[in-house]
Amino acid sequence: KNEVEQSPQNLTAQEGEFITINCSYSVGISALHWLQQHPGGGIVSLFMLSSGKKKHGRLIATINIQEKHSSLHITASHPRDSAVYICGVHSGAGSYQLTFGKGTKLSVIP
Amino acid sequence: GEEVAQTPKHLVRGEGQKAKLYCAPIKGHSYVFWYQQVLKNEFKFLISFQNENVFDETGMPKERFSAKCLPNSPCSLEIQATKLEDSAVYFCASSRVFTETQYFGPGTRLLVL
Repeated sequence: KNEVEQSPQNLTAQEGEFITINCSYSVGISALHWLQQHPGGGIVSLFMLSSGKKKHGRLIATINIQEKHSSLHITASHPRDSAVYICGVHSGAGSYQLTFGKGTKLSVIP
Repeated sequence: GEEVAQTPKHLVRGEGQKAKLYCAPIKGHSYVFWYQQVLKNEFKFLISFQNENVFDETGMPKERFSAKCLPNSPCSLEIQATKLEDSAVYFCASSRVFTETQYFGPGTRLLVL
């Protein structure tokens, strides 16, 4: 089973700061998801990536397959970015099982 | 529709009763996924479908949980003989193809008393 570790568990930032959330996994994967869960509970899929880098607005996700590591960056953070960010991986080698990390709780203070 | 719809929003069951949750994926999406989140903690994958076929059920508890996606009907997740530890929010998501973004429904909050 793939072990997925996220760091930090909790993060408090001032508005405008550059934020990085990390995700490491133990076994080779076919793809990785970044999800955002709002304080009200709703979930939005931010990225699904299997290599390189993706960008959407102020959000950037990168993945290094060799190092089994992904990062989610938020530029010019805003209080509305306050949420739990969850990393999930599809294990490789024909398996489609999804394993998730425990999430990183981000609070952005005005 | 353009959103994943889940019903009901809330469901309360006594221990031992059956619970049935429904999910209508976005029109044109071939893949449906069910997830369980206990107390806003860890997200757990339960099962995925490609149209009406089970794609991956490695996360499903074997005994009391079952799920279906039948043509022209909402998908369903059924829990027989619910237990206290089944209390959770159950999310459904759909995607057009497996390798694309998943769109999540608002979840069904199940409380087992």
